[in-house]
Amino acid sequence: TQLLEQSPQFLSIQEGENLTVYCNSSSVFSSLQWYRQEPGEGPVLLVTVVTGGEVKKLKRLTFQFGDARKDSSLHITAAQTGDTGLYLCAGAWGGATNKLIFGTGTLLAVQP
Amino acid sequence: GAVVSQHPSWVICKSGTSVKIECRSLDFQATTMFWYRQFPKQSLMLMATSNEGSKATYEQGVEKDKFLINHASLTLSTLTVTSAHPEDSSFYICSASAASYSNQPQHFGDGTRLSIL
Repeated sequence: TQLLEQSPQFLSIQEGENLTVYCNSSSVFSSLQWYRQEPGEGPVLLVTVVTGGEVKKLKRLTFQFGDARKDSSLHITAAQTGDTGLYLCAGAWGGATNKLIFGTGTLLAVQP
Repeated sequence: GAVVSQHPSWVICKSGTSVKIECRSLDFQATTMFWYRQFPKQSLMLMATSNEGSKATYEQGVEKDKFLINHASLTLSTLTVTSAHPEDSSFYICSASAASYSNQPQHFGDGTRLSIL
């Protein structure tokens, strides 16, 4: 059973368009992380959100953590070809462990 | 800082052989290491968590006798895929963290592509 569902699963857009990726769960997480992964490489951390309702901006990327800490979204403004990759959200349970549960993933292709 | 190195990055071997993958933390001591498996265009699935000096904790459905994990030092963990078969072909990724507390980040290696012929 996958605890973190991402949508859409695949997304192909033109350069300059905006997009939003969603990460949803029925579980509450102490924090949620977003990663980007390129083929043949490990995932690279983009951001960690901790507080319900929190919004973080990283240049053209905007991350939001849901008020109930069960869901999150990633919005990219004016996508570039360099944004192409697999986007993964990952939830942390907190407490005495830093174990992560990864979402199902969103494969983004930005066409020139 | 916080560099994690995996070796080898790519391995091809015959069915029935055992393959060892190394995960090293280069500039910090890793109390906890995680091993993940990833199929093409899919997400990371946690296989096991290993703490230095103790037995690994495997996730449900992961065969501990098939995937042997050793974390004998604070900078090295190994994953051995025993008697590998084509269905074990996958991308294996490790991560390492300085402690197992909830606020400790995981630092990821670049993965090992395993292909079993």
